[in-house]
Amino acid sequence: EPEVTQTPSHQVTQMGQEVILRCVPISNHLYFYWYRQILGQKVEFLVSFYNNEISEKSEIFDDQFSVERPDGSNFTLKIRSTKLEDSAMYFCASSADTGEAFFGQGTRLTVV
Amino acid sequence: AQSVTQLDSHVSVSEGTPVLLRCNYSSSYSPSLFWYVQHPNKGLQLLLKYTSAATLVKGINGFEAEFKKSETSFHLTKPSAHMSDAAEYFCVVGAPTGRRALTFGSGTRLQVQP
Repeated sequence: EPEVTQTPSHQVTQMGQEVILRCVPISNHLYFYWYRQILGQKVEFLVSFYNNEISEKSEIFDDQFSVERPDGSNFTLKIRSTKLEDSAMYFCASSADTGEAFFGQGTRLTVV
Repeated sequence: AQSVTQLDSHVSVSEGTPVLLRCNYSSSYSPSLFWYVQHPNKGLQLLLKYTSAATLVKGINGFEAEFKKSETSFHLTKPSAHMSDAAEYFCVVGAPTGRRALTFGSGTRLQVQP
């Protein structure tokens, strides 16, 4: 069964460092997303990506965040200068035209 | 705007007894509704979805949910709980056509006692 895969599963980084979270969406999907879940809080939408551009973003997705689809398979989330409050589980998801999103296992980001 | 409220943060049942996880939504349009499950240290798995076809939706692992527009509810049920059902469950409302962001509820942790 096709699935969304994310790497790494856990990343520890120092405050101020740049991190790149990687995702391989389901191959025939057209829409890609990043969500995050701070420990003990709701899953929050960050950004959606379609046709090689951002189609929607939340107020959380400020200038320190960027997304890219560098080739035909990967989808990345970059955080330029990490802050303590960026510590969270980051979920990548993809969807076809039918609406429901399929999520990866998540990357736990810990900023120290 | 859209929002979703999960009425119980924690539900505990005995194995073999029915499960009811409650969800109310608010939406200014005809919504798509989903239930996702998250097992410990695992990703989010789609349990079932409602997209304006049948109001009673069947999902995986014996779960089902009923869309009630008059009550703006989308409660998740299962006739008989299994130990493996212990997890966090999220009620999710989809965006209108042309937008894709999902809005998650705060989650309900289901505990299943032997």
